[in-house]
Amino acid sequence: DGGITQSPKYLFRKEGQNVTLSCEQNLNHDAMYWYRQDPGQGLRLIYYSQIVNDFQKGDIAEGYSVSREKKESFPLTVTSAQKNPTAFYLCASSPRTALGDTQYFGPGTRLTVL
Amino acid sequence: SQQGEEDPQALSIQEGENATMNCSYKTSINNLQWYRQNSGRGLVHLILIRSNEREKHSGRLRVTLDTSKKSSSLLITASRAADTASYFCATDAHNAGNMLTFGGGTRLMVKP
Repeated sequence: DGGITQSPKYLFRKEGQNVTLSCEQNLNHDAMYWYRQDPGQGLRLIYYSQIVNDFQKGDIAEGYSVSREKKESFPLTVTSAQKNPTAFYLCASSPRTALGDTQYFGPGTRLTVL
Repeated sequence: SQQGEEDPQALSIQEGENATMNCSYKTSINNLQWYRQNSGRGLVHLILIRSNEREKHSGRLRVTLDTSKKSSSLLITASRAADTASYFCATDAHNAGNMLTFGGGTRLMVKP
């Protein structure tokens, strides 16, 4: 059963803690993306990766970090440097490195800072 | 600033009516896509229209693109309560490294 999964669905963090959000896909897609969505808003790009061991900053990368050690996995770490991390985080993948292709989204992780 | 902006921000209609959502953008694009998001869920791709296309259909969905006005519309015909969701346009702009840029979305409520 192919798809893109994110875990956990809900995550609570104390201020000053780093947390890592998981994103896994078995679609054999080359490109993967992380977006942030605030209530009632659209998506803003945090980081993207077109190929293993390579990634680029998006529009709002400050306070976040990523890795792409495997094609299937693109974890996002929300660091303590992120001033307002409470948001809904969406991971996506697309089949080719030509960006702008159709993206396939995971179910999202809702992060709340206590 | 966002490349795509949807209008209206919110729309409430009765089941069976048609729903029209609009998207405007600022720079030249390669293609424009529409996505749907149910509350608290991920986005689902609906339809992609390329810059050299003017209209595209998929089931009850009809998308138009007017590159001279830098605008697109999504029409959902014979709406159903299950169409209740947020709808986003996403543009693949020439000057944005071909990244997708999403608008703020239209929140559609279809009343049974």
